[in-house]
Order: sequence, then structure tokens, then C-alpha cells
Amino acid sequence: EAGVVQSPRYKIIEKKQPVAFWCNPISGHNTLYWYLQNLGQGPELLIRYENEEAVDDSQLPKDRFSAERLKGVDSTLKIQPAELGDSAVYLCASSPSDGDNEQFFGPGTRLTVL
Amino acid sequence: RKEVEQDPGPFNVPEGATVAFNCTYSNSASQSFFWYRQDCRKEPKLLMSVYSSGNEDGRFTAQLNRASQYISLLIRDSKLSDSATYLCVVMGGFKTIFGAGTRLFVKA
Repeated sequence: EAGVVQSPRYKIIEKKQPVAFWCNPISGHNTLYWYLQNLGQGPELLIRYENEEAVDDSQLPKDRFSAERLKGVDSTLKIQPAELGDSAVYLCASSPSDGDNEQFFGPGTRLTVL
Repeated sequence: RKEVEQDPGPFNVPEGATVAFNCTYSNSASQSFFWYRQDCRKEPKLLMSVYSSGNEDGRFTAQLNRASQYISLLIRDSKLSDSATYLCVVMGGFKTIFGAGTRLFVKA
């Protein structure tokens, strides 16, 4: 069974440019998470979806970050414009049903903003 | 005060040692608790869930103390392959909070 797929794996952009990350969760997983992880820190939740509904986006910086999961399957996370402080690893995770279950993580996208 | 706190370590232990990590949380309404393992430059993976009655999986034992609001992870007979960062996770009400992680180095 395929795991969580993320692309791209690495992205280098200049500040003020836009960037987008894509995630395809494990088939059948209704819950999808986007996290940001800085070096030496744990993942920080940006947004959680139950199917196509964002049930928690309280930590998403909405002035520059946006996310969508239109058909309740794959999802995109966008930053526009990117800032130097956005350099981090962006992780996507999915879990099989509503509730607090094991999360399966993708390999992440490592973003460098110059 | 952070909502979930862990001792960052690093813990440097010899093979065969027993090592314990604690994780404290501030929200008494938290409902679900987990330990994840993260290897260097890899994604986190579930190590074990933490139940009120405590649970054991081979050399690993996890416990929950709701009264004092902490969870613990005990690793017995440490192996070189146990070297990693251990993240505690607290969930409840759609919230998911990871600790900053505790780094473990097991040396020969």
C-alpha cells in the first residue's frame, strides 16, 4: 500500500515568491494534516481536515498561507508571499477516520527561502 | 509555558541501559496520547499509543498520569538502533500538539 505522497521534496525560492506543496494521503484516509517543522522542534499543526472540511486552522497564518482539499482527497498548501522565516520542513499526514488516531506522515517538503 | 513540554536531552546512554522520558501537558481536557519516533531527516512514525492503564510493547513501556498531567516512555535494554528523537503527542478537540522531542543517543 502506498504511503502519503508529497511533492516536491525540496524547494528553493527567493523571498516574496509564491510556493505550493502537494499531498496525496493514504487511500481511504479521511483526515489530513499539514504541519511545519523547524530544526530541533516538533511538528506544529497548521491545519486539519476531516474530508474536505477544515476543522482546525487556528494556527494557519492566513495572511500568507492558504490550503485546500476540494474533493476530500489530495490537498495543497500555498504560501504567498514567502518570507525568510518560512524556511522549514512542511509535513503532511493522514489518518484513517475521525477521531484521534495514528497519523501516517509523508516524507515532507524541505523549503528554503533565500 | 508550552502546552506540551519535553526534556530536550540529549540523553547519552550505553547499550543495555534503561532510559526514561517524561512529557508534561497543560490541558487537562486532552484525550489521546502517543509517542512517535523520528530519525534524523526522516518523518515521524508512531512508536506507541499511551493508554490510561499503561501499555507495554517489548522493551518499551508507556504510562499516563492524568492527575499530574504527564506521560512517560521507558526503554529497557537500549539498542544502538534506538538512537532517535522521541516526540510525545497530545490530542483532543481536533487539537494536535507535539512536544519538541527528546534526543537519545545509544552508544556501544
